[in-house]
Amino acid sequence: EIVMTQSPATLSVSPGERATLSCRASQSVSSNLAWYQQKPGQAPRLLIYGASTRATGIPARFSGSGSGTEFTLTISSLQSEDFAVYYCQQYNNWPLYTFGQGTKLEIK
Amino acid sequence: EVQLVESGGGLVQPGGSLRLSCAASGFTFSSYSMNWVRQAPGKGLEWVSYISSSSSTIYYADSVKGRFTISRDNAKNSLYLQMNSLRAEDTAVYYCARDLRLLDYWGQGTLVTVSS
Repeated sequence: EIVMTQSPATLSVSPGERATLSCRASQSVSSNLAWYQQKPGQAPRLLIYGASTRATGIPARFSGSGSGTEFTLTISSLQSEDFAVYYCQQYNNWPLYTFGQGTKLEIK
Repeated sequence: EVQLVESGGGLVQPGGSLRLSCAASGFTFSSYSMNWVRQAPGKGLEWVSYISSSSSTIYYADSVKGRFTISRDNAKNSLYLQMNSLRAEDTAVYYCARDLRLLDYWGQGTLVTVSS
């Protein structure tokens, strides 16, 4: 099983500032990495796939980078609606998907 | 518009059974593989099961293998999860999600609580 590890568990950032979230895979997943956003009481929403491609309708302030085992999600200028939990997910071992434990992005 | 609507959750005793359903609309259901993903209260996401468009290929997480059965009815645009021998650790919100070699659309989930 490919283990996904996210850091930090909680990130406190002020609105308008940049947020950087990290995800590490226990073995290479190439670029088969997705990021999801989940708000309280809602289903996860696909943000990024292929490590760096934004899904339909996702604002340009969201960007993803990395390949192999190290990945980053960057939100360039945080808006109030961006405070949520973010999960990374590998699909290199499709369909035996595995998720990171999540990073909670909270208002500082 | 793609819509996935889960139903069938509820309170069940340990050792009991429950059948979840997911009604799909807004896309050609028979052309897509589907998944179930769950989330225990206050916890992260855990993939549960996968079924191909024709039901010819099925996978399960080790945590549910032998107890859960995924199925689909393409004529009814519906996905199912039969859950038997339920345990307290199966308590979670269960989501159905469309498969595109990643999970591009999710339903809103249905809560399953296993407790005596």
